[in-house]
Amino acid sequence: EDQVTQSPEALRLQEGESSSLNCSYTVSGLRGLFWYRQDPGKGPEFLFTLYSAGEEKEKERLKATLTKKESFLHITAPKPEDSATYLCAVGVSGGSYIPTFGRGTSLIVHP
Amino acid sequence: DAGVIQSPRHEVTEMGQEVTLRCKPISGHDYLFWYRQTMMRGLELLIYFNNNVPIDDSGMPEDRFSAKMPNASFSTLKIQPSEPRDSAVYFCASSLLGRDQPQHFGDGTRLSIL
Repeated sequence: EDQVTQSPEALRLQEGESSSLNCSYTVSGLRGLFWYRQDPGKGPEFLFTLYSAGEEKEKERLKATLTKKESFLHITAPKPEDSATYLCAVGVSGGSYIPTFGRGTSLIVHP
Repeated sequence: DAGVIQSPRHEVTEMGQEVTLRCKPISGHDYLFWYRQTMMRGLELLIYFNNNVPIDDSGMPEDRFSAKMPNASFSTLKIQPSEPRDSAVYFCASSLLGRDQPQHFGDGTRLSIL
C-alpha cells in the first residue's frame, strides 16, 4: 500500500532559525509530489509540484527538493507568518488517481 | 480567478437533522473532490467526480452520506440524518485532468453536530 509519512509532526522555531520538513514516500510510479500550506480555518493552499528526483523549486523563503524516496521543504530564515501546517501529497501512475496525503507538519515560528 | 467556493462556512445543527454542504469548483476543472478533516484522522477523501460523474465513493463512511454533481459548476454533500461524530471540517477541491495536477481547495465548512 502506498505510504506518505511526514516528519516531524510539530516543529517550533525561532524567527530566523532555518530548518527542514520531511516527506518520505513508498510509492511506485511517482507522477508528482505536491506541497501545500494550510493556515488555521483555511483550506490547503498549493505551493509546489515536483516531478522527478533532483528537481528543486523555490518560493520566497521556501525551497522544495525531491529524491527517489523523500522530499524536503527547506525554510530559510523563517518569519512568524510562515507558521502553518505543511502537507505533502503524492500522485502515482496506475491504481487510484487520487493523490495520497501525509498527516502534515505543524510549524510555529516564534518572533 | 475565483477559487473553489464552499458554503456555508460554518454549520451548527442538532443530531438527526439533514445537512447540505455546497461547492462551486474552479471553472474548467475536470475533477471535484470532497474531503473530511479531523485531528484524529487527518484529511480523508470521501468521494470524487470526473466530468460530473461519481468515480469512487469508497471513502463515504455510511449510507447517511450522499453526494451529487448535477452540473460542472455545482456539487453537494448531504448528511441525513446527522450524528455528533460527523462533526469535522469538510473540504471541496477541484483539479484539472492528470495525475500530476495539484488539487485546489476551498476554505471548507466547519460542521458541528450537537
